[in-house]
Amino acid sequence: EPEVTQTPSHQVTQMGQEVILRCVPISNHLYFYWYRQILGQKVEFLVSFYNNEISEKSEIFDDQFSVERPDGSNFTLKIRSTKLEDSAMYFCASRTGGRQPQHFGDGTRLSIL
Amino acid sequence: AQKITQTQPGMFVQEKEAVTLDCTYDTSDQSYGLFWYKQPSSGEMIFLIYQGSYDEQNATEGRYSLNFQKARKSANLVISASQLGDSAMYFCAMRDDFNKFYFGSGTKLNVKP
Repeated sequence: EPEVTQTPSHQVTQMGQEVILRCVPISNHLYFYWYRQILGQKVEFLVSFYNNEISEKSEIFDDQFSVERPDGSNFTLKIRSTKLEDSAMYFCASRTGGRQPQHFGDGTRLSIL
Repeated sequence: AQKITQTQPGMFVQEKEAVTLDCTYDTSDQSYGLFWYKQPSSGEMIFLIYQGSYDEQNATEGRYSLNFQKARKSANLVISASQLGDSAMYFCAMRDDFNKFYFGSGTKLNVKP
């Protein structure tokens, strides 16, 4: 069964550095998402992406965040200047549309030192 | 305003018994979708069941069923014949008319042998 894949599984970065989290959504999916989950807390929506543009974003998704789908297969989340509070699990998800659920990747654990 | 409310931070159930996990939601949209996801200790997000706002019958998927009461805006998950492997966090989620997803704070289910 096709899967959403995320790399790396764990990223350790110094505060203030840029980080890029990578995702390969399922190939026939049209909607793409990023979420974050701070340890022990709920899953928080960051951004949704459709037709090569952001369709919705949350208040968390400020100017230090950006997303790209550079080549038709990868879907990346960039954090420009990381802060300690960016430490979390970041999930990528994709779906075809309509009634279909999102399929999640296994997440990237981001640790900011 | 909180869109999804899960009032049970933790639940215990005896193996082989049924358990209901509560979820209420808040929306003025006519068209929306409700989802349940399971998150084991390993961290991945596993889709369990979906209910569309226009679906007249409650969704069922194997041992999972969704008790959908539209007037009360509730979408409780019922797990029948609990198994030890059901021990996990369970998240209720809603997709609104703008294709944005909201997650509840989760319920940690412990199945006792």
